[in-house]
Amino acid sequence: GAGVSQTPSNKVTEKGKYVELRCDPISGHTALYWYRQSLGQGPEFLIYFQGTGAADDSGLPNDRFFAVRPEGSVSTLKIQRTERGDSAVYLCASSLTPSTDTQYFGPGTRLTVL
Amino acid sequence: AQKVTQAQTEISVVEKEDVTLDCVYETRDTTYYLFWYKQPPSGELVFLIRRNSFDEQNEISGRYSWNFQKSTSSFNFTITASQVVDSAVYFCALSEAPSGTYKYIFGTGTRLKVLA
Repeated sequence: GAGVSQTPSNKVTEKGKYVELRCDPISGHTALYWYRQSLGQGPEFLIYFQGTGAADDSGLPNDRFFAVRPEGSVSTLKIQRTERGDSAVYLCASSLTPSTDTQYFGPGTRLTVL
Repeated sequence: AQKVTQAQTEISVVEKEDVTLDCVYETRDTTYYLFWYKQPPSGELVFLIRRNSFDEQNEISGRYSWNFQKSTSSFNFTITASQVVDSAVYFCALSEAPSGTYKYIFGTGTRLKVLA
């Protein structure tokens, strides 16, 4: 079946602009995660959704970052007033249930803030 | 605090050599899960294995094998008879069940280069 998909694959924006990154999880997966991966580092947790609600957003770096999942499927990560330090690969993962099920990752969105 | 350490930043081997990637973890919980993922140049994280803290049996899958030792908090990954296609960055990750979040804590990864 189809895996996790993310769009766009690449996004270049200017400092101060607003961006939206989209994640389409594996069909039927109720848990969804966002991670951020900087160059040469492992992915770092941002936010976790159980269904429609954000169950844990402790990894969001500041209030410029926000994510939604209104219908419990597709999720959008929103970044306001982008800064050069936001440049990274943003990864989305989903798992069948909100538990210790294996997380399956999408290909990521590479965000570059000029 | 939970932490995953992959001390080997980069390893180069010649094709057909065996190679072991080290992973050491820290956790206060007795119930936790460990994972290995492969990240090829294309960038997508590919799941390799999941292990829970109550199962210390070593596992073998083809040329891959994993050695889990709770006594040393290690979960090492060995590739036997390496191939060029094994070249990638490999990540070890920890998930603590009682956290309620099931988020992964990743190590910094080990870049494996297999030379023909």
